[in-house]
Order: sequence, then structure tokens, then C-alpha cells
Amino acid sequence: EVQLLESGGGLVQPGGSLRLSCVVSGFTFRNNGMSWVRQARGKGLEWVSGITSGGGTTSYADSVKGRFIISRDNARNVLFLQMNSLRAEDSAIYFCAKLDGDYAEYFQEWGQGTLVTVSP
Amino acid sequence: DIQMTQSPSTLSASVGDRVIITCRASQSTSGWLAWYQQKPGKAPKLLIYRASDLQSGVPSRFSGSGSGTEFTLTISSLQPDDFATYYCQQYNRYPLTFGGGTKVEIK
Repeated sequence: EVQLLESGGGLVQPGGSLRLSCVVSGFTFRNNGMSWVRQARGKGLEWVSGITSGGGTTSYADSVKGRFIISRDNARNVLFLQMNSLRAEDSAIYFCAKLDGDYAEYFQEWGQGTLVTVSP
Repeated sequence: DIQMTQSPSTLSASVGDRVIITCRASQSTSGWLAWYQQKPGKAPKLLIYRASDLQSGVPSRFSGSGSGTEFTLTISSLQPDDFATYYCQQYNRYPLTFGGGTKVEIK
């Protein structure tokens, strides 16, 4: 059974940082691209960032470019999202998602999400 | 960026109804289009990929069609478990983008 478990969310002040983690199991992590997708309360889905299977290529939404860094540890089956210079508009549930392939793909499996709240 | 527009944003229907949700892209997605179902407090669930391929385990009452810039998700006979919000997503190019969602409510 494929499982994705996010952690690291919480309450942070504007300008602060958080590091999200997503531990996966049930599939060969190193074979698949991964992404982070977020959802503000009562709003729709927004793709945030993606990384290829080997970690060599990363992509970011314009809204987070220069502030967020996606990375992965294929030896430990973990996906990360380092979030810096956080803003109120970054408040959302952050989902990690497994891509079917390696790059521009659909989201085959999702974690349950971790809540990030940016507030004074 | 490819903008995705769904219609309607809200849909009221009864059990047994045929439901059609439309998704329009601002430019061609070359058929790289997926549909998801999301229930309150839950993660989205993949229903359809490549515009019309049914994800394993998804009931056959769900179907997808379309090409280029116009796509539809059809639920042939709405069931109680289908009341949820549905999103389309293009994966032709980055940034990956979603439609705004269609909430299917009980009539």
C-alpha cells in the first residue's frame, strides 16, 4: 500500500521559516517525480513545486520561487520543502504527491497534508 | 501559464442523475488532463488521467472525454458517495495548473 505522510507544519510568524517532510512507503521512491500542492482554507488546489526522480530538476510556482526549496533523499524515502520568508498568503494545507512519471505528470497518490499557518 | 476554467462552479443534483462537468484550457493541453475528486477534510483522489483513462479502482460510472482545450467529466448515475468537489488539472507543461473546482451538491 502506497503511503505518504507529511509533517513539519505549524504556526509561524511572517518572515519565518518551516521545513516540511514527506515520508513515503509502498513504492520505489527513487523512480518517481514528486510534488507539493497546497490548498488555502476554502480554496482550490495550487501546485507549489516539483522535483524529478533523481532530484536533478526542480520547478516552482512563481508565487514561491526564490523562497521555497524542494529536495529529496532517495536513500531515506523522504521529500522536503524548505519554506523561507513566509507570508500570510502561504497559509494552507500542504500535500505531497507522487507523480505517475518523472516530470510533468498527474498526481497519482497524495498524502493527507500538513497545515501551515503564517500569522503574527 | 495554461489557465484552466471549470464550469459550473457549483452543481445541484440528485442521486441517479447524469452529471457533466466541463473544463476549458487557455491553450492546448495535448490531452494531458486529469480529474480529481476531493471530499471535505480529505486529500484529492485521482479519477481520470490522459483525459479519458480511468484510474484503477475508480467506478466505471466516471468517464472523461475531450481533447485540445475542451474536456468533460461525466458521472453517468450519481451516487451518494459522489457528492464532493471535482478538479481538473493540466500536465502538458509547467507550471502544473488546476481548474477552480466544481462542487457537486445534493439537490
